[in-house]
Amino acid sequence: DAGITQSPRHKVTETGTPVTLRCHQTENHRYMYWYRQDPGHGLRLIHYSYGVKDTDKGEVSDGYSVSRSKTEDFLLTLESATSSQTSVYFCAISEGAVPQHFGDGTRLSIL
Amino acid sequence: DQQVKQNSPSLSVQEGRISILNCDYTNSMFDYFLWYKKYPAEGPTFLISISSIKDKNEDGRFTVFLNKSAKHLSLHIVPSQPGDSAVYFCAASDNAGNMLTFGGGTRLMVKP
Repeated sequence: DAGITQSPRHKVTETGTPVTLRCHQTENHRYMYWYRQDPGHGLRLIHYSYGVKDTDKGEVSDGYSVSRSKTEDFLLTLESATSSQTSVYFCAISEGAVPQHFGDGTRLSIL
Repeated sequence: DQQVKQNSPSLSVQEGRISILNCDYTNSMFDYFLWYKKYPAEGPTFLISISSIKDKNEDGRFTVFLNKSAKHLSLHIVPSQPGDSAVYFCAASDNAGNMLTFGGGTRLMVKP
């Protein structure tokens, strides 16, 4: 298994609170990604990073920000969580562009 | 508008028979296609891929077929085993390569 750790694995929080999800890799891969998975939509890309401090937006980036200050860590922040952001969040890594290898996900519930 | 579609939300197959999972895409810029398998409470696991310069790629029991003119790909699993029961996602990328576009997934159930 690719060395990817997502934390926390589960979180319940309230609308309007800030939330930060962490992805940590031990593979020294260049690319890191954040996806969300919702029923009927598969996985949709939120943001990705192609190096330290280099990030770009994905398909569903509104309401999310990311930071990558070290090769091994990629943080996803919801500045003010909304119920529509209730989802399962997956981090992925890759050395080249594809294939991407995924972590086990964070289940986030916003009440 | 979904650029990658898996029109069958679920598929049930008898153990030992062939499973065929289908995927259609609309973006002609896609040139690399992947299949992932996902078990509950785990992340998707890369299964097999195919470049647009090929029409078939095989890896053990898994074969992916690509029909570019029809913008259609399929995953064949032969023979199917109960452990293959999972959700399967197809994904596509264009020549920029960094962004994967996923289909909605097909839940495969292989009955003993």
